[in-house]
Amino acid sequence: GQQLNQSPQSMFIQEGEDVSMNCTSSSIFNTWLWYKQDPGEGPVLLIALYKAGELTSNGRLTAQFGITRKDSFLNISASIPSDVGIYFCAGQLGGADGLTFGKGTHLIIQP
Amino acid sequence: DAGVIQSPRHEVTEMGQEVTLRCKPISGHNSLFWYRQTMMRGLELLIYFNNNVPIDDSGMPEDRFSAKMPNASFSTLKIQPSEPRDSAVYFCASSFAGDGNTIYFGEGSWLTVV
Repeated sequence: GQQLNQSPQSMFIQEGEDVSMNCTSSSIFNTWLWYKQDPGEGPVLLIALYKAGELTSNGRLTAQFGITRKDSFLNISASIPSDVGIYFCAGQLGGADGLTFGKGTHLIIQP
Repeated sequence: DAGVIQSPRHEVTEMGQEVTLRCKPISGHNSLFWYRQTMMRGLELLIYFNNNVPIDDSGMPEDRFSAKMPNASFSTLKIQPSEPRDSAVYFCASSFAGDGNTIYFGEGSWLTVV
């Protein structure tokens, strides 16, 4: 089956620093998504990418859909305490298909 | 607007008991997904429905697991008999084809089997 490799597994950073995380896949996806999960909650969609090469921003977040359709990255600029959480990449083949998730990146911000 | 609603939020049950998890998708959504999350395996897709019809149940662990969607506003995930290794958070999610297929998650059902 398809696998998503997400890295890094965890990040310990200072408030105000920029963050970068990425996902690679063994096969092609037609949609890439990035979710954030807070403790005790379900994943919440941050950014959705629908075209190879697409670069999309949502406030301090920027994500790109790789040209090969096998990878994506998420950047967070000027991190703040509420950015703490687990970030998941997810790939989707067809519009009505389920998502395949990466294992997540735990972001921890030190004041 | 109400999001995806799951119940119960938390359940502790004894091994061998039947567990039923419930989900109400967002009104108007026509796809529903059941996921399981554990520390070891992360988020795994168990089964999903389109227009109330099961499309792919290849992620269902074994015959002890079953899912139904009798109508567009309700789905259940049943485990019978439950085992300690079934302890996990079970998420229900829904989407509407045409809305960029954005998938919205519920808050999860935290299951502990002792």
